[in-house]
Amino acid sequence: GQQLNQSPQSMFIQEGEDVSMNCTSSSIFNTWLWYKQDPGEGPVLLIALYKAGELTSNGRLTAQFGITRKDSFLNISASIPSDVGIYFCAGQLGAGGTSYGKLTFGQGTILTVHP
Amino acid sequence: NAGVTQTPKFRVLKTGQSMTLLCAQDMNHEYMYWYRQDPGMGLRLIHYSVGEGTTAKGEVPDGYNVSRLKKQNFLLGLESAAPSQTSVYFCASSFRNTEAFFGQGTRLTVV
Repeated sequence: GQQLNQSPQSMFIQEGEDVSMNCTSSSIFNTWLWYKQDPGEGPVLLIALYKAGELTSNGRLTAQFGITRKDSFLNISASIPSDVGIYFCAGQLGAGGTSYGKLTFGQGTILTVHP
Repeated sequence: NAGVTQTPKFRVLKTGQSMTLLCAQDMNHEYMYWYRQDPGMGLRLIHYSVGEGTTAKGEVPDGYNVSRLKKQNFLLGLESAAPSQTSVYFCASSFRNTEAFFGQGTRLTVV
């Protein structure tokens, strides 16, 4: 089955720094999603991408759907302490194939922000 | 504005016991998912459903069964719990190929 490789696994940064993380896949996805998870909570959607090449921003967050449809990245600008958490990418296949509808997650990036 | 609701939130089982986790969504979503989350493993898909009456296996389906008798509910069953099934379980739902919304999770401990 398809796999998502997310990197880096963890990041330790100073407040105010920019952050970049990415996901690559062995399969083509029709949808890329980026989630954040706080301790004891379920993942919360940050950005959704539906079209190859799409670049979407949500405040200080920017994400892109790779042209090959096999990768995506997330950037966080001017990090703040509340950005701490686990960030997950997720990809979803489109119509056709035996895995239609299946949503697959990367392993997550643990972000620590030092004040 | 409930969204995705999971019950129970916490449960302790003895090895060999059975239980059912309930997921309910009020957004009329077609797709529903069950994931388990373990330290260092991220979210792994157990089973999913693309519509009422349909289910499909995910990455780690062994030891679990699911049912989607009603569009708004997705049940996850453990017939004979094992310590390896100690985990945090998350349910999610979505409209087809759109963003999935998650419940708050169920923390299950099997002793």
